[in-house]
Amino acid sequence: DQQVKQNSPSLSVQEGRISILNCDYTNSMFDYFLWYKKYPAEGPTFLISISSIKDKNEDGRFTVFLNKSAKHLSLHIVPSQPGDSAVYFCAASATGNQFYFGTGTSLTVIP
Amino acid sequence: GAGVSQSPSNKVTEKGKDVELRCDPISGHTALYWYRQRLGQGLEFLIYFQGNSAPDKSGLPSDRFSAERTGESVSTLTIQRTQQEDSAVYLCASSFWGGRPDTQYFGPGTRLTVL
Repeated sequence: DQQVKQNSPSLSVQEGRISILNCDYTNSMFDYFLWYKKYPAEGPTFLISISSIKDKNEDGRFTVFLNKSAKHLSLHIVPSQPGDSAVYFCAASATGNQFYFGTGTSLTVIP
Repeated sequence: GAGVSQSPSNKVTEKGKDVELRCDPISGHTALYWYRQRLGQGLEFLIYFQGNSAPDKSGLPSDRFSAERTGESVSTLTIQRTQQEDSAVYLCASSFWGGRPDTQYFGPGTRLTVL
């Protein structure tokens, strides 16, 4: 049972425009969320996180929004750059040991 | 090194053989995780180690899979009698532990192909 879902397997965006990657979850106990970025042949690298006590966290061009009532989070990248082309995973955890990962969204930023 | 390292980077084996995958976590990280990613799928949790606590093995898909960790350092994931469905990228991650899962740092993965 997939507790974290990324329903868009791919996304293409023009350079300079906004990229919006979406993630939905089913477990209301999740209280910590992360986004990871993965290039081919490399492990995922941490990008940005958000705790459930917040609804927004911003780090440079990257902003994560959390809507707890909808069990939805999104990652906004603005402006998008060609180097942002990668697979993006969202992950969630409750007060336990595991992180649950989505299946990833492949972002292509077109120059 | 400064990051998580894994070896081998690629492993091709025949069905029925045993394989061992190795992970060297970041020094000082007490938590260590194993995941696998099969083609077209997300990261699937396998097992988690935290200090001297009993490992969380809830993600291991069958009794052919086992893992060990020596103190707070190297971990090995062993797959016995490999099957074709075991083909995947096996990722290791480590993190600090502040009473709950923290940001994980991933290794580059081992790509396992079972013929």
